[in-house]
Amino acid sequence: KQEVTQIPAALSVPEGENLVLNCSFTDSAIYNLQWFRQDPGKGLTSLLLIQSSQREQTSGRLNASLDKSSGRSTLYIAASQPGDSATYLCALYSGGGADGLTFGKGTHLIIQP
Amino acid sequence: DGGITQSPKYLFRKEGQNVTLSCEQNLNHDAMYWYRQDPGQGLRLIYYSQIVNDFQKGDIAEGYSVSREKKESFPLTVTSAQKNPTAFYLCASNDRQTGTEAFFGQGTRLTVV
Repeated sequence: KQEVTQIPAALSVPEGENLVLNCSFTDSAIYNLQWFRQDPGKGLTSLLLIQSSQREQTSGRLNASLDKSSGRSTLYIAASQPGDSATYLCALYSGGGADGLTFGKGTHLIIQP
Repeated sequence: DGGITQSPKYLFRKEGQNVTLSCEQNLNHDAMYWYRQDPGQGLRLIYYSQIVNDFQKGDIAEGYSVSREKKESFPLTVTSAQKNPTAFYLCASNDRQTGTEAFFGQGTRLTVV
């Protein structure tokens, strides 16, 4: 069964720093990988979707990479801002019998002003 | 604006009572999903539906029921058989024809009183 691990579980950095969030998965047979942002008490906002045939996707200050062979994805946030403070979730779609996404537990990010 | 609407935002359930959470989408998506989120855990799939009048159990379906009578609507009933229903419930949808990017509603927080 697919397992998704996100490291670190929590991260606190000063404003302006570039940072990397990590996501690893046990089964490389995936259709796509999606990064989400979740603010406290809110739903999930989709940040980036990487198809299995792609290596990376970029949106503004965000860049996500995918290496299926090693079972890893990274989310790079450039020039972090206090408004980036949130929980970031990595999720995989593997297809197969149980449809739906498999989620990691998230990285809780705090950007200090 | 297109999106997913969940209601109510907060819901309180008495012991032995059934409650229904609403999820409506105007994205014309075929597939809809219900997830449960507990503190310190990743999102877990309860039920999903790929087409009207059809739905499948996810990883934690016991104590829950769903219906899919219309493409736009996928209500979730939390029955009295669910022994630990206090959680944050999230509804999602995707268009299986165009790459499976998932979109989420704002969630319903259910509390047993």
